[in-house]
Amino acid sequence: EAQVTQNPRYLITVTGKKLTVTCSQNMNHEYMSWYRQDPGLGLRQIYYSMNVEVTDKGDVPEGYKVSRKEKRNFPLILESPSPNQTSLYFCASSLYSNYGYTFGSGTRLTVV
Amino acid sequence: GENVEQHPSTLSVQEGDSAVIKCTYSDSASNYFPWYKQELGKRPQLIIDIRSNVGEKKDQRIAVTLNKTAKHFSLHITETQPEDSAVYFCAAMDSNYQLIWGAGTKLIIKP
Repeated sequence: EAQVTQNPRYLITVTGKKLTVTCSQNMNHEYMSWYRQDPGLGLRQIYYSMNVEVTDKGDVPEGYKVSRKEKRNFPLILESPSPNQTSLYFCASSLYSNYGYTFGSGTRLTVV
Repeated sequence: GENVEQHPSTLSVQEGDSAVIKCTYSDSASNYFPWYKQELGKRPQLIIDIRSNVGEKKDQRIAVTLNKTAKHFSLHITETQPEDSAVYFCAAMDSNYQLIWGAGTKLIIKP
């Protein structure tokens, strides 16, 4: 089944404790992206990747890192999480950036 | 840069009636316009998209129209059903090949 798999689905962590949210797609998509969704603020792009080893900042990259060492994986890293990073996170992939996106199931992160 | 405005923020329609959601964009070079539906607690899902070489596209009860001159595009849902209740997002592709998203429209279908 073609899908984007995110893990974990839910995560509660403490301020400053490094964490990684994984994202994997099995569709051989070139393009991958991370979004955060907060009430009243819609979808805001954190980072994106047009291809392997190519990553770029989105609208809200501060406090986040990503890597794209292989086509299928695009992990989101929070080196030192803070409470303002409490949010719902979505990974998305598409064949190219101007094609329809397939979203993962989301990761609800709470930083206390 | 590209800016996308979406209206209304909330739309309530009677079951069986039609619903129309409108988006305007600022970059005349934009050429790809998708619409996503997000049901409560779920991921956004692509429901229809249109490219700038086409003025209208239909898929069963859903249609999208594009007016390049006026720089606006609209989502039309006919014969609305309870399962159409969701938040709908429009988006437009900017010159960096990134999607710029509208703020979303909460569609409520009244029985």
